[in-house]
Amino acid sequence: DQQVKQNSPSLSVQEGRISILNCDYTNSMFDYFLWYKKYPAEGPTFLISISSIKDKNEDGRFTVFLNKSAKHLSLHIVPSQPGDSAVYFCAAIGPTSGSRLTFGEGTQLTVNP
Amino acid sequence: DAGVIQSPRHEVTEMGQEVTLRCKPISGHNSLFWYRQTMMRGLELLIYFNNNVPIDDSGMPEDRFSAKMPNASFSTLKIQPSEPRDSAVYFCASLTRNPSYNEQFFGPGTRLTVL
Repeated sequence: DQQVKQNSPSLSVQEGRISILNCDYTNSMFDYFLWYKKYPAEGPTFLISISSIKDKNEDGRFTVFLNKSAKHLSLHIVPSQPGDSAVYFCAAIGPTSGSRLTFGEGTQLTVNP
Repeated sequence: DAGVIQSPRHEVTEMGQEVTLRCKPISGHNSLFWYRQTMMRGLELLIYFNNNVPIDDSGMPEDRFSAKMPNASFSTLKIQPSEPRDSAVYFCASLTRNPSYNEQFFGPGTRLTVL
């Protein structure tokens, strides 16, 4: 049972445009969500997070939106840069998860110059 | 801080051989996680420890896999005997609990190839 899903395995955008990465979850107990970025031959690195008490969190070019009723979150990158090309994972955790993060499958973002 | 350290970075072995992956978490972090990344399943949690104690090993695929954390600064993931389907990238991550954060810090991974 895949509780966190990223339905788009890949996304390609032009430099300077907006990148929107989507993530859906099924477990209503999840109350904290994170995005990780992964470059080839490196481990994932934390990018941005959001608590379920908010619907938006912004950090520079990165904004995460949370729609609890739809069990959907998205990561917006504006403007996109070639250095943003990486695999992006969304992850979720809740009070019954312990310390266990549940990850999505990842989306490969390619930003073309 | 050196971050999470994993060794080896690459491992190529033959089917049936024992493989041991090593991890040194960030000093002061009290939770440690072992993940496996494959194309089909993305990032799967295999097992995690809190204060050196295994808490959840439900992701360990079968008895061929075992993990230990003898002290706060070292953990191993062992596969014995290894099989070609074990080929994947294995990540170790560590965490220090903060009431408002759940951020795990990942190591660079070990790419395992079983021939």
